[in-house]
Amino acid sequence: EVQVVESGGGLIQPGGSLRLSCETSGFSVSSDYLSWVRQAPGKGPEWVAVIYTGGRTDYVESVKGRFTISTDSSINMLYLQMDSLRGDDTAMYFCARAPAIGFTPYYFDFLGQGTLVTVSS
Amino acid sequence: DIQMTQSPSSLSASVGDRVTITCRASKNIMQHLNWYQQKPGKTPKLLIYGASSLQSGVPSRFSGSGSGTDFTLTISSLQSEDFATYYCQESLSIPLTFGGGTKVEI
Repeated sequence: EVQVVESGGGLIQPGGSLRLSCETSGFSVSSDYLSWVRQAPGKGPEWVAVIYTGGRTDYVESVKGRFTISTDSSINMLYLQMDSLRGDDTAMYFCARAPAIGFTPYYFDFLGQGTLVTVSS
Repeated sequence: DIQMTQSPSSLSASVGDRVTITCRASKNIMQHLNWYQQKPGKTPKLLIYGASSLQSGVPSRFSGSGSGTDFTLTISSLQSEDFATYYCQESLSIPLTFGGGTKVEI
């Protein structure tokens, strides 16, 4: 059974850093495309970043240079290192799996329950 | 970036109603269109992928159609558990983008 469980969220001051983790089971992080998707309070989802099989990454423009997505295939974990955090980064962050079909994540078939990041002084 | 526009933003319906939600892309995305359902405080759940393919375990009252720029999600007979917010999402190109959502209310 596929499962993804996020952790690492919390309250952080603007300019600070946070690392989110996603513990996965039921599939290999090396075999699928893994993304982070966020959702600000009362808003729709926003795709943030993807790591493809082979390690190539893509980001939404607003987080480029500040966020880094990575995996540790030895323990089947996904991470999101978030630096220079801003108020508009406040959101629930979901770990999302997409089967490795095509050049982009074709669809997200599993998302976790999310971890809340609040950026505020 | 591809812009995804959903309509209506909300609708009121009754159990047993046929409900249709539309999604328009700002450019041709072929059939790279997915639909998700989200209930309050819950994770988005995949309903339809590739514009018209039903995700495993999703009831057959849900269906999707369309290609190019115009897409439709139809619930053939609304059930009480279907009251939720529905989002479309394009998967043709990076950045992946979602529609603004359609809230289906009683």
